[in-house]
Amino acid sequence: EDQVTQSPEALRLQEGESSSLNCSYTVSGLRGLFWYRQDPGKGPEFLFTLYSAGEEKEKERLKATLTKKESFLHITAPKPEDSATYLCAVQGFGDSWGKLQFGAGTQVVVTP
Amino acid sequence: EPEVTQTPSHQVTQMGQEVILRCVPISNHLYFYWYRQILGQKVEFLVSFYNNEISEKSEIFDDQFSVERPDGSNFTLKIRSTKLEDSAMYFCASSESQLVIRAKNIQYFGAGTRLSVL
Repeated sequence: EDQVTQSPEALRLQEGESSSLNCSYTVSGLRGLFWYRQDPGKGPEFLFTLYSAGEEKEKERLKATLTKKESFLHITAPKPEDSATYLCAVQGFGDSWGKLQFGAGTQVVVTP
Repeated sequence: EPEVTQTPSHQVTQMGQEVILRCVPISNHLYFYWYRQILGQKVEFLVSFYNNEISEKSEIFDDQFSVERPDGSNFTLKIRSTKLEDSAMYFCASSESQLVIRAKNIQYFGAGTRLSVL
């Protein structure tokens, strides 16, 4: 069965203090790995999708990378507005109709 | 920017009552999904829908649940007889395709409906 594990569960950063979030996955053939941001009481907001090992995507202070077993979301020089829960999800080739399997998320708090 | 819209934002119901959660997916999208998130837990897949049929459903999606696309724009989730454990955030999502090419399989989520069963 597909599994997604995110670490750490929570992360408290000072503004400007860079860090990385981890997403380890087990899937029978990776169709895609997705990063979403979720604010309290809101729906997941799409950030990145990665399809093959070695791929990298970047947007403002965020950069996502992918290996065969895990993905990292790097936050460079974070600002308070980067505070959110970051969710990782995988889609396997066995999930022909697109089911996403989510991890539990990493809650990030950035203090001024 | 196109978005998935869900109504209502909050639904309160009594145990045993029927509820219908509504979603308007992004207009050129063909694949539709429902997920739920119990407070403090992971986002869980419920069902996917394509070409007016259920494509895949999870173990959670039992006979109490049904989905429908009643017209060209709406997509609904019905819970026939709500239980206390159905209390959760319900998210609708849509994607243009299942094709990985040009990232057409990205799922975009609505803001959710918070269902409270009393």
